[in-house]
Amino acid sequence: DGGITQSPKYLFRKEGQNVTLSCEQNLNHDAMYWYRQDPGQGLRLIYYSQIVNDFQKGDIAEGYSVSREKKESFPLTVTSAQKNPTAFYLCASSPTETGTENTGELFFGEGSRLTVL
Amino acid sequence: GQNIDQPTEMTATEGAIVQINCTYQTSGFNGLFWYQQHAGEAPTFLSYNVLDGLEEKGRFSSFLSRSKGYSYLLLKELQMKDSASYLCAVKDSNYQLIWGAGTKLIIKP
Repeated sequence: DGGITQSPKYLFRKEGQNVTLSCEQNLNHDAMYWYRQDPGQGLRLIYYSQIVNDFQKGDIAEGYSVSREKKESFPLTVTSAQKNPTAFYLCASSPTETGTENTGELFFGEGSRLTVL
Repeated sequence: GQNIDQPTEMTATEGAIVQINCTYQTSGFNGLFWYQQHAGEAPTFLSYNVLDGLEEKGRFSSFLSRSKGYSYLLLKELQMKDSASYLCAVKDSNYQLIWGAGTKLIIKP
């Protein structure tokens, strides 16, 4: 079945450590996104990529890094520079919006919950 | 700045109807989405509105008024499984999604 797979689902990290969250999709979507979700807040965009080997900073990119070496994969690294990394991280993808029938709907992975100890 | 407003929490009774409102102020408008998110899970797509009016899909309907910067999601014949958060998101002039904080809907028997 086509979809988006995030791993790990739960991750614990000590302060000062970098961690990488995996996101893989087999939907053949061009665009991929990383969001952060905190209680009582809307989804906030960390990074997005509309094509292989290119990505753009979102609203809260500081302390995070990404790569897009393959269309299917968009890993997110949470670095030690991120001051408050404990959160629920969501990866999403969408097809390129061409034509009137494509709404640009996002398809989400199941999320990764990161806790810093 | 850009802003999406939704009620934080609503309570309704099984079998009843509930309307969840969303007002927005964004730089441009290229569509409005509603997503459902159960606790600890990923959001799932419910509806998309880009023109004014009502879109009906089974028990769920979504309404849009662009002139008023307003949308609502209408849920009929509520079931216990409808207990979830409902997220409103607007696509702005740059085709970036702006998200509301979500409305937590509690269904009581």
